Amino acid sequence: AQSVTQLGSHVSVSEGALVLLRCNYSSSVPPYLFWYVQYPNQGLQLLLKYTTGATLVKGINGFEAEFKKSETSFHLTKPSAHMSDAAEYFCAVSGLRWGNDMRFGAGTRLTVKP
Amino acid sequence: EPEVTQTPSHQVTQMGQEVILRCVPISNHLYFYWYRQILGQKVEFLVSFYNNEISEKSEIFDDQFSVERPDGSNFTLKIRSTKLEDSAMYFCASSGQGLDNEQFFGPGTRLTVL
Repeated sequence: AQSVTQLGSHVSVSEGALVLLRCNYSSSVPPYLFWYVQYPNQGLQLLLKYTTGATLVKGINGFEAEFKKSETSFHLTKPSAHMSDAAEYFCAVSGLRWGNDMRFGAGTRLTVKP
Repeated sequence: EPEVTQTPSHQVTQMGQEVILRCVPISNHLYFYWYRQILGQKVEFLVSFYNNEISEKSEIFDDQFSVERPDGSNFTLKIRSTKLEDSAMYFCASSGQGLDNEQFFGPGTRLTVL
């Protein structure tokens, strides 16, 4: 079984500051890991994903995440926050088998202050 | 770019009524999913569907729920007798066969049960 825990339901940063959103996973098989962003009243948009290979993955909008197996973590970072980054961010995990369901974390709401 | 579509975008119904939420997955995808998100809460897996049958379902997916692929393009979620607590955003997703197991999400249907 897979699960994810997102530390911090709400993160607030100043514009231009580093963004760090934390995600730890639990999985009985090598995981596939994802970060999704949800803007108000909209659906889920994939930011980035880790499946195999390079542990540092780059996504859209300047975000990146590093898969650390030893720490069972997949934290999302962005060097410099923009006002447009304000949204809800969800970490998710699924197993290797095709068609495996995806388990989401509780979400982290990112606020960007001017 | 191919995308998952969902109709309607917003459905209002009376408690006890039946609703059908519709989804058109990406055309060459083989796996289909329904998720729900109660307002302010995390995204929760409901069910996955492959080869015209349910692959997995969560404890939320009880007897009042059913899924169907009535033709070659649509994938539906039926709620037989809606309850107030069924009010949520319902997301459809689809994925193909492939090692990256990426699920593509639709924009969601907001269901309001009065």
